[in-house]
Amino acid sequence: DAGITQSPRYKITETGRQVTLMCHQTWSHSYMFWYRQDLGHGLRLIYYSAAADITDKGEVPDGYVVSRSKTENFPLTLESATRSQTSVYFCASRGQVYGYTFGSGTRLTVV
Amino acid sequence: TQLLEQSPQFLSIQEGENLTVYCNSSSVFSSLQWYRQEPGEGPVLLVTVVTGGEVKKLKRLTFQFGDARKDSSLHITAAQPGDTGLYLCAGAGGWDSNYQLIWGAGTKLIIKP
Repeated sequence: DAGITQSPRYKITETGRQVTLMCHQTWSHSYMFWYRQDLGHGLRLIYYSAAADITDKGEVPDGYVVSRSKTENFPLTLESATRSQTSVYFCASRGQVYGYTFGSGTRLTVV
Repeated sequence: TQLLEQSPQFLSIQEGENLTVYCNSSSVFSSLQWYRQEPGEGPVLLVTVVTGGEVKKLKRLTFQFGDARKDSSLHITAAQPGDTGLYLCAGAGGWDSNYQLIWGAGTKLIIKP
């Protein structure tokens, strides 16, 4: 099916472990984004990408790494997970028309 | 720093009532978008308004962009339980060509049967 897919939907990991959240889109949209959503903070941009091999920091990039070797994939890696990174993570893409399309999210718990 | 303030933060009303959600800023936006998010899912785009003073209707939902393109409102007529969700507004700054959005904190809407 066309769309934007995130995996896994739920993840529990231990402090200090490396975790990678996956994001795949089928439209070949140029722009892709990673957000985290927390109560009291709303949606905060972590990283974004304008095209393959072009990425840039958002509002809260510390502790996260992204890559984009292919247009359709935009994985987000937590290098050494901390409890403060417990959150719901959303991937989104933007095509030529206004508006973002979001994935269903990954709920990450760091224990 | 551009900010978008949404009000109210929380609204719980009975089915059939009308309501308005506001999104305000001191900054000018090139466009403003409204999203609805249901529990366990990502936000879904409802509408984009681009022109100052623009009014768009989506069934019982009416969206308006302020004349100065600094504010927007969402009005729901005869609310139904299916309208329950988190409503988010997001502004696009014309100065920024990388498509980043400025997000409001959201309005949690509960429609009671």
